[in-house]
Amino acid sequence: NAGVTQTPKFQVLKTGQSMTLQCAQDMNHNSMYWYRQDPGMGLRLIYYSASEGTTDKGEVPNGYNVSRLNKREFSLRLESAAPSQTSVYFCASSVGRGGNQPQHFGDGTRLSIL
Amino acid sequence: GENVEQHPSTLSVQEGDSAVIKCTYSDSASNYFPWYKQELGKGPQLIIDIRSNVGEKKDQRIAVTLNKTAKHFSLHITETQPEDSAVYFCAASGGYSSASKIIFGSGTRLSIRP
Repeated sequence: NAGVTQTPKFQVLKTGQSMTLQCAQDMNHNSMYWYRQDPGMGLRLIYYSASEGTTDKGEVPNGYNVSRLNKREFSLRLESAAPSQTSVYFCASSVGRGGNQPQHFGDGTRLSIL
Repeated sequence: GENVEQHPSTLSVQEGDSAVIKCTYSDSASNYFPWYKQELGKGPQLIIDIRSNVGEKKDQRIAVTLNKTAKHFSLHITETQPEDSAVYFCAASGGYSSASKIIFGSGTRLSIRP
């Protein structure tokens, strides 16, 4: 049982380049989330999808777009990468639509913007 | 919106002693309080959670207490072992401003001294 799978695990980009971070879960969960983790700041929500077909902004959505491709997959896109987006990105999923459910996390994508 | 503060940011305890991490939240309507453990290079993993209708919950060496009046909750780890060394995050959700989102604290790095 793979749980939440994120690809790639590491990526280095130049300022202005674009890329898409992929996330897939095999637990038949309804809700999926994208977070960024910076030193001393915990996890901050970028976007979430409460159910297939819906997406909503979190705390720090600027500079990002998301797509809930189907129930399993939720991708995060950086259209024009900036050094401030250097971070570790985590995808998570939960069975229910509300935030008051345990979340299952992937192992992250470590992204550096030069 | 909801704000979660976590203390201390770093904690070092002797193996076998107890460790306590404390969190406060701002939204009185929050009703779900999970704790996550993050090991190096991995995503956060849920270790215990508590809902607002319960004051305390235990799972072997781990316990969480909740004081709704004071809006704070704590994680207690007894008989600490080397494998308890990790970063721990508290979180809160379910309130009016975060019905579909979890707000995380900034994390506590726990080190167990042999």
